[in-house]
Amino acid sequence: KQEVTQIPAALSVPEGENLVLNCSFTDSAIYNLQWFRQDPGKGLTSLLLIQSSQREQTSGRLNASLDKSSGRSTLYIAASQPGDSATYLCAVYSGGYQKVTFGTGTKLQVIP
Amino acid sequence: DTGVSQNPRHKITKRGQNVTFRCDPISEHNRLYWYRQTLGQGPEFLTYFQNEAQLEKSRLLSDRFSAERPKGSFSTLEIQRTEQGDSAMYLCASVRGDTQYFGPGTRLTVL
Repeated sequence: KQEVTQIPAALSVPEGENLVLNCSFTDSAIYNLQWFRQDPGKGLTSLLLIQSSQREQTSGRLNASLDKSSGRSTLYIAASQPGDSATYLCAVYSGGYQKVTFGTGTKLQVIP
Repeated sequence: DTGVSQNPRHKITKRGQNVTFRCDPISEHNRLYWYRQTLGQGPEFLTYFQNEAQLEKSRLLSDRFSAERPKGSFSTLEIQRTEQGDSAMYLCASVRGDTQYFGPGTRLTVL
């Protein structure tokens, strides 16, 4: 059974700081890994998807890396802004797209 | 894209009643997921459809839960004989390519 852990559970940083969010998974036989953000009372928004054959993906100030052998992914946010405040979730796909396991999330607060 | 819609947005019911939620995916998205999310947790996978075929169903989905996607369009999730432990946010997502597009969710409260 795939288990996904995200550390830390909560993080508070001053505006402008670079930060790293961590995601660990127990079964390295994954198909894809995806990072999402969730704003209070809203659904999830996809940020980045890394296929199992890739090592990283970048979008704007976001960079996600994947190390399957160690069961880890990181989401790097550069020059954080108050608008980045949200809960960040990683999701691991196993067996193709048929099984998805989400982590518990990291709640980020960026202080102006 | 008009986005994924879910109805109702909120549902309050008494224990033992049946409830049904509806998800309207983005048109032409042939893959669809249902999730359940409780406070402070990530979404828990419930079931996955490709077109009208239900290809995967979580062990979390007890016999009281059933999902359908007739004709590969909208989907429904029914919970029979609701229990207080069913109180949660129920999320639906449709997929284009590798990207999931989530709806706003249906919040269920079982009294």
